[in-house]
Amino acid sequence: DAGVIQSPRHEVTEMGQEVTLRCKPISGHNSLFWYRQTMMRGLELLIYFNNNVPIDDSGMPEDRFSAKMPNASFSTLKIQPSEPRDSAVYFCASSLFNSNQPQHFGDGTRLSIL
Amino acid sequence: EDKVVQSPLSLVVHEGDTVTLNCSYEVTNFRSLLWYKQEKKAPTFLFMLTSSGIEKKSGRLSSILDKKELFSILNITATQTGDSAIYLCAALEGSWGKLQFGAGTQVVVTP
Repeated sequence: DAGVIQSPRHEVTEMGQEVTLRCKPISGHNSLFWYRQTMMRGLELLIYFNNNVPIDDSGMPEDRFSAKMPNASFSTLKIQPSEPRDSAVYFCASSLFNSNQPQHFGDGTRLSIL
Repeated sequence: EDKVVQSPLSLVVHEGDTVTLNCSYEVTNFRSLLWYKQEKKAPTFLFMLTSSGIEKKSGRLSSILDKKELFSILNITATQTGDSAIYLCAALEGSWGKLQFGAGTQVVVTP
């Protein structure tokens, strides 16, 4: 079974550049979550969607971050312009809303902003 | 403010030892407590606990939830080097399935 698929696996770019991270949730899952993981702050929830609609984006650090889910099988997290402090591992997770099933995580995107 | 606290933050044990990891939570609209194992990549799901006092087991791992005292423990018996990882607990809250994670416990099992 295909799990949550994220791309790219690694991204290195210079500050000021636009970064787009991509996620394909598990087929049939209707909740999607974006997390950021750093040594200092651990795993933080950035935003989550239910049935492609953003429910809570209070974890998005600032206006430079935006996320979209144009359909049930694709989501993007965009950072524009990027800054060195955005360097982290970004995870996408999906689940079936209002079920007793856990969230399943993708392998993450390791982002380095120089 | 909602919070999930894990202890210890890290520990080193020898193969064959037993490990107990702790997780306390203060979360509004609590639904369940989850444990994940994280090696080099994605957190992988271990257990979901919803009811108090019912132990869940998977091989050498087991976990239990106390909803009165608001904590959970994860036990690993007869540890192996492959158990070396960060163990994360998370509280599932609200109607939307939002997870609040603890900082994790790093476990190192030496041969």
